[in-house]
Formats: sequence, structure tokens, C-alpha cells
Amino acid sequence: DAKTTQPPSMDCAEGRAANLPCNHSTISGNEYVYWYRQIHSQGPQYIIHGLKNNETNEMASLIITEDRKSSTLILPHATLRDTAVYYCIVRVGRGSNYKLTFGKGTLLTVNP
Amino acid sequence: DVKVTQSSRYLVKRTGEKVFLECVQDMDHENMFWYRQDPGLGLRLIYFSYDVKMKEKGDIPEGYSVSREKKERFSLILESASTNQTSMYLCASSPPGNQPQHFGDGTRLSIL
Repeated sequence: DAKTTQPPSMDCAEGRAANLPCNHSTISGNEYVYWYRQIHSQGPQYIIHGLKNNETNEMASLIITEDRKSSTLILPHATLRDTAVYYCIVRVGRGSNYKLTFGKGTLLTVNP
Repeated sequence: DVKVTQSSRYLVKRTGEKVFLECVQDMDHENMFWYRQDPGLGLRLIYFSYDVKMKEKGDIPEGYSVSREKKERFSLILESASTNQTSMYLCASSPPGNQPQHFGDGTRLSIL
């Protein structure tokens, strides 16, 4: 699976958009980008995933660059409850290698 | 919404005991996974199962076994608990292919 690079921490004001970047320059054509977050003492929560098109759901938007070497997770109106560690993961969606490899992620702190 | 339920949030056991961790999912998912999460080491896959009675070793299967007698239930067994198995244990499930894994809230297991 391709390696990902994320900033270790970011701050965001409550009510503003939070834009979390992720670099995955070695991504291959059949690898998907997944985003999860983990609030302290809870299991990881799935947010969104995509292959090459931008995606949006009720939680967030995912913007993938045309060359697919980076992506941005957007939380449109951050709240205090969005404070968490956010993980960007790249992996092949099929085959026997189903495991998720979580890196260090980005600690997003939403401030009042 | 996908629901993955782990039987205990916190568990304390003694060295040498046989320990059972239970996980149930309600979405008829084929795949189920057991991970452990330790500070600085991220998530590590212990075992996964892609069908009833089927199992495959992950990265760290030593000291563990699993059982999947029914599609919705995946059990992790610590044959003879040791202090180095003190950890947060996370269960996840997913359909086949590129669909995301969904996690339970975890079991924080302490072996004394």
C-alpha cells in the first residue's frame, strides 16, 4: 500500500471549514483513499473514501487531485466534537490484503 | 447505520487465563477483523475472516486464535494471557471489495 504523509497537528475555529491535507505520491491506479478519525478512547470512525473523483457525504467532502498524488478532507463547518485524530489511508480495495495501516494521522483541534 | 458491537469496553484478567473477546456485526458483512492498537505502534492486524469458518493470519497472530461459527460473530481468543497482551482490541467488519471497514468501540484489556 502507498505511504501517506499528513501534518501532525492542525487547529481550526469552530464554525469554520477544516481542510486536512494528505500526500500519497506513490499511489497506484487501483488504490483507494480512505479517511477515518478517532476520538480518544473510541474505535476509528469511517468518514469517506474515493478513487479519483471528488466525493461528498453527510460528514465531509474529499477532494482528490487530478494526478491522485494528494487529497484534502474538508469538514465544512467544524464543531468542537470534530476534535480528533484524522487518518488518511491508501490501499487496494480487492484481494487478500484487506488490512488497514494507520499512520500517525493529524490531530485536529477545533477551538471555540 | 453499521453497528459493530464488542462485548466489553474494559476487561481485567490475570496472566495465564484464557480470554474471550466477542464481536457482533449487524450488517451481514462477509469480512471481519481483529486489530490491536498500542501507543506508537498504530493498528496491527491479528486475524481476519472472509467467510464463516474461514480465517487468515494477520501480522501478529502469535498467542491468539479466532472463531467464526456464524456470519455475524467473530471471537478473539487469548489462549494463555500474558502481560504483553495488555492493549486496546478493535473489531471491524466490511463487505468485500473496496467498501470501508467499520469499527467497534474497542475493548481495553489489562492483563495483570
